[in-house]
Amino acid sequence: EAGVTQFPSHSVIEKGQTVTLRCDPISGHDNLYWYRRVMGKEIKFLLHFVKESKQDESGMPNNRFLAERTGGTYSTLKVQPAELEDSGVYFCASSQRFSGAGELFFGEGSRLTVL
Amino acid sequence: AQSVTQLGSHVSVSEGALVLLRCNYSSSVPPYLFWYVQYPNQGLQLLLKYTSAATLVKGINDFEAEFKKSETSFHLTKPSAHMSDAAEYFCAVSALKAAGNKLTFGGGTRVLVKP
Repeated sequence: EAGVTQFPSHSVIEKGQTVTLRCDPISGHDNLYWYRRVMGKEIKFLLHFVKESKQDESGMPNNRFLAERTGGTYSTLKVQPAELEDSGVYFCASSQRFSGAGELFFGEGSRLTVL
Repeated sequence: AQSVTQLGSHVSVSEGALVLLRCNYSSSVPPYLFWYVQYPNQGLQLLLKYTSAATLVKGINDFEAEFKKSETSFHLTKPSAHMSDAAEYFCAVSALKAAGNKLTFGGGTRVLVKP
């Protein structure tokens, strides 16, 4: 069974440009999460989808970040326009619905470098 | 609000020696607690979790952690370090929601194993 996959693994862009990160969760997982780790800091929650609905987007830094999950399958996270402070590793995770304290399965992350 | 503090961003241990990684949490409700590990170039992988059953939790690769409510701690131990344990370890607490869980992470502890 395929795990959580993320694309691209690394992206280098200039300030002001746009980047779109993609996450394919484990098949059948209704919950999809985005997290971010800025260098030297802790991993922080960005948002949570249940199927195609945003359950919690309290961690989104500002309106330059847009997450979608059309059809309740894969998700994209777009940053437009990118700023220097957006650099970091963006992790996607998925879990089964009503998982309670169940395991989140993480992808390898997409490293974003904004120059 | 929940928070997690991991004491020591870097820990160096000798092969065969005890591994001890410290984690203290703050939570206004009974917590669910997790330890995740990230090996180089991989995603985060669940080591073990505490879900209000036994306070001593055993995980993969001979790791275990003990939940101590009075100390608000969930320290991770392994009796004998192996070279393959070199990785970054993250302690996390969850805020339960009806359809999944949202993790609050500590800053991570990178473990170096010396031969």
